[in-house]
Amino acid sequence: DADVTQTPRNRITKTGKRIMLECSQTKGHDRMYWYRQDPGLGLRLIYYSFDVKDINKGEISDGYSVSRQAQAKFSLSLESAIPNQTALYFCATREQGYPYGYTFGSGTRLTVV
Amino acid sequence: AQKITQTQPGMFVQEKEAVTLDCTYDTSDQSYGLFWYKQPSSGEMIFLIYQGSYDEQNATEGRYSLNFQKARKSANLVISASQLGDSAMYFCAPSLGGKLIFGQGTELSVKP
Repeated sequence: DADVTQTPRNRITKTGKRIMLECSQTKGHDRMYWYRQDPGLGLRLIYYSFDVKDINKGEISDGYSVSRQAQAKFSLSLESAIPNQTALYFCATREQGYPYGYTFGSGTRLTVV
Repeated sequence: AQKITQTQPGMFVQEKEAVTLDCTYDTSDQSYGLFWYKQPSSGEMIFLIYQGSYDEQNATEGRYSLNFQKARKSANLVISASQLGDSAMYFCAPSLGGKLIFGQGTELSVKP
């Protein structure tokens, strides 16, 4: 099993629908992140969590919410999906010791029609 | 806002030659880490190399090396002996304030 698992891998949804992207990790890391990637661009930070009780907005949090259900689980929700939220979404975790590396999930490709 | 600049949107390199991908960043932090990732067309993010801001020697990982110049806030990735499988997007990403901040990326194409 992958260290960081994202579900679903692909999703097509309609405008206005609520959708949840899930992320789970087996690495025991406290820090988890959600990023969004638009075609041809770098990843942008949506939300991040340094532990279960510490959740922070990133660069582009509008239209998104998150839930940290446990150390291992960090979910991203689109309350009312819109077409410009069509993107590749990545979840990541960060090591607690040197070199504090980041591990990424395989990504969720979301299309809003 | 912290800014990461990768000035080469696209680059070509001949197979077996070396190539340098540029990255500069803007931060007032003194302690940070620098990461480079590779993203092939399949989409996954593959970690390549890490450099700590206080590391005295430039990092190397196999065919990858990092030309780190802290005073210039520059962390260029050097790929030696390019292979066809190196064709991909490459992202520079400093870890600043406990968050990974990405540049726009450089698309590298390796020609046979």
